[in-house]
Amino acid sequence: AQKVTQAQTEISVVEKEDVTLDCVYETRDTTYYLFWYKQPPSGELVFLIRRNSFDEQNEISGRYSWNFQKSTSSFNFTITASQVVDSAVYFCALSEGYNTDKLIFGTGTRLQVFP
Amino acid sequence: KAGVTQTPRYLIKTRGQQVTLSCSPISGHRSVSWYQQTPGQGLQFLFEYFSETQRNKGNFPGRFSGRQFSNSRSEMNVSTLELGDSALYLCASSATGQAVSGANVLTFGAGSRLTVL
Repeated sequence: AQKVTQAQTEISVVEKEDVTLDCVYETRDTTYYLFWYKQPPSGELVFLIRRNSFDEQNEISGRYSWNFQKSTSSFNFTITASQVVDSAVYFCALSEGYNTDKLIFGTGTRLQVFP
Repeated sequence: KAGVTQTPRYLIKTRGQQVTLSCSPISGHRSVSWYQQTPGQGLQFLFEYFSETQRNKGNFPGRFSGRQFSNSRSEMNVSTLELGDSALYLCASSATGQAVSGANVLTFGAGSRLTVL
C-alpha cells in the first residue's frame, strides 16, 4: 500500500537557521511522483516541487533544496537560512503514475520560524 | 491567470442537512479533484474528474458525491451531514490527461470550510 510518513510533527527554529523536513514514502510502483506543498495560515496549498521516480537529481531553488534518494525511499526538503515567512505546514505527497490527481499526503510538518 | 475558485468559503450546517460546494478550475484545466482536510485524518482524497467523468474515487461513503460540468467546473455534495464531516474541503485543478508540460501538478483553491453543528 502507498504511504507517506512525515515523522516530524512540529519544528521550531530561529531565523537564519537551516532546517530539514523529512519525508519517507512507500509504494510498490516503479513509476510515481513525489511532491512538496506548503500550506500557510490562509489554508491554500501551494505547490513547491514535483519529482518523478526516474529522476534522482537533487534540486535547488533559491533557499530551498530537495534530496531524493530511492535507496532509502526518502524525499527530504531543506530550507537554508530560514525566514519568518517560511512558517507554514509543509506536506509531502505521493502519486502513482502520471495520469491521476490522486495524491497520498503525509501528515505534514508545522514549521515555526521565530525572529 | 485566475486561480482555482471555491465557493462558499465558509458555511455552517446542522446534522442531517446537505451541502453543495463549488469549484471553478484554472482556465484550460480539465481535471478537478477534491480533498478533505481534518485535524484527525489529515488530507484525504475524495474524487477526481476529467472531462465530466469520474476518474477515481477515494474511500468515502456514498453520502459524498460530485460531478463535473462541460466547462470543467465541479461541484461536490455531501448529504445527511454528520458532525465528522466538519472539515476544510479543498478543490484542485490540473492539466492531467492533457498533453501539456507540467501536467499532474495540482493547483489548489483556498478551500471551503464546513462546520456541522
